Amino acid sequence: KNEVEQSPQNLTAQEGEFITINCSYSVGISALHWLQQHPGGGIVSLFMLSSGKKKHGRLIATINIQEKHSSLHITASHPRDSAVYICAVRSTQGGSEKLVFGKGTKLTVNP
Amino acid sequence: NAGVTQTPKFQVLKTGQSMTLQCAQDMNHEYMSWYRQDPGMGLRLIHYSVGAGITDQGEVPNGYNVSRSTTEDFPLRLLSAAPSQTSVYFCASSLQRRYEQYFGPGTRLTVT
Repeated sequence: KNEVEQSPQNLTAQEGEFITINCSYSVGISALHWLQQHPGGGIVSLFMLSSGKKKHGRLIATINIQEKHSSLHITASHPRDSAVYICAVRSTQGGSEKLVFGKGTKLTVNP
Repeated sequence: NAGVTQTPKFQVLKTGQSMTLQCAQDMNHEYMSWYRQDPGMGLRLIHYSVGAGITDQGEVPNGYNVSRSTTEDFPLRLLSAAPSQTSVYFCASSLQRRYEQYFGPGTRLTVT
């Protein structure tokens, strides 16, 4: 079983819809990252969080440490939000910290 | 600031050739790392450095070497390219290991 699982793998939405992408992990962590990979390939860090909730513009990230689960929400989605969204956890398993990445969720927002 | 830069953007190598992927950052970040991204898999750490003169292996280090002689530069060397090294390579940097990471634009490498 992968240490980081994202769902769904692919998501298609209409412009304006509310989007939720989920990330579950099976290891102890010190932080969780949400990244965005544009169609051109570049990767941008969206959030780094270890508890609670963070908001930036139309993006909201939440984490529940007890349930080992995080969600990324996009409100009023727009075609420019089309990208692959990657969850990564800073795993504390085995004594040394390392970043473990999910496989990503491909989001397509149609006009 | 240019952020994290990588060269080249694209490269085609023949099996057995060697080459160096360049990575530089101008943010005075201590932590730098190299990842590879393959279809259907998450990013995987190849090597990392916590500061000039200090490097360590990540999850998939075989076939790659790194050095960190300056804070700014962190080149990745492929010693003898193999088709299994066909991938997209990303360099990233952060102020320190636990901070937000900044990624370069990537290098798409094909080994034939």
